[in-house]
Amino acid sequence: NAGVTQTPKFQVLKTGQSMTLQCAQDMNHEYMSWYRQDPGMGLRLIHYSVGAGITDQGEVPNGYNVSRSTTEDFPLRLLSAAPSQTSVYFCASKTSGSSNTGELFFGEGSRLTVL
Amino acid sequence: AQSVTQLDSQVPVFEEAPVELRCNYSSSVSVYLFWYVQYPNQGLQLLLKYLSGSTLVESINGFEAEFNKSQTSFHLRKPSVHISDTAEYFCAVISTGGGSQGNLIFGKGTKLSVKP
Repeated sequence: NAGVTQTPKFQVLKTGQSMTLQCAQDMNHEYMSWYRQDPGMGLRLIHYSVGAGITDQGEVPNGYNVSRSTTEDFPLRLLSAAPSQTSVYFCASKTSGSSNTGELFFGEGSRLTVL
Repeated sequence: AQSVTQLDSQVPVFEEAPVELRCNYSSSVSVYLFWYVQYPNQGLQLLLKYLSGSTLVESINGFEAEFNKSQTSFHLRKPSVHISDTAEYFCAVISTGGGSQGNLIFGKGTKLSVKP
């Protein structure tokens, strides 16, 4: 089982460049989310989606865009990268069934450096 | 809204010693509680969770956590740690009513370093 797959695992950008972090899950989860992890800050929610066509902002959405055209995919776009966006990014998903307990399944992360 | 406080950012301990990683939460409603573990250069994986019932929950690798509603705590313990337990541990909370669509709130993490 692939679970949650993130690409790329590593990326170096120059300030002002754009890029997309890809996330795909094969568990038919309706809920998907993006977190960033910074030293001493824990995980902070960027954007999330509760189903195809529905997205919403989390705690730190500025500088990031998302879309959800299919259940499987939830890409994160950086339109004009800034050094403050240097971080490790995690995609996570969970089921939205009535018995759901909130347990998240994480990808392995994408390490982004903005010079 | 919920919040999570992990009281120690780093915990160094010798191999085979006991360890406790502390987690306190704040919420005006009932919650589910989780501990996630992140090994170096990996994603997060679920260690254990409290949903309901017995306040003491256990993982398959010897960790346990106790839900204390009066003290709003969910501390993680292990009686004897191994080198392989070296990792960062995250406590997380979600309201019971938000399970399907709500967002997990994470603490800032505790780095457990086990020394030989």
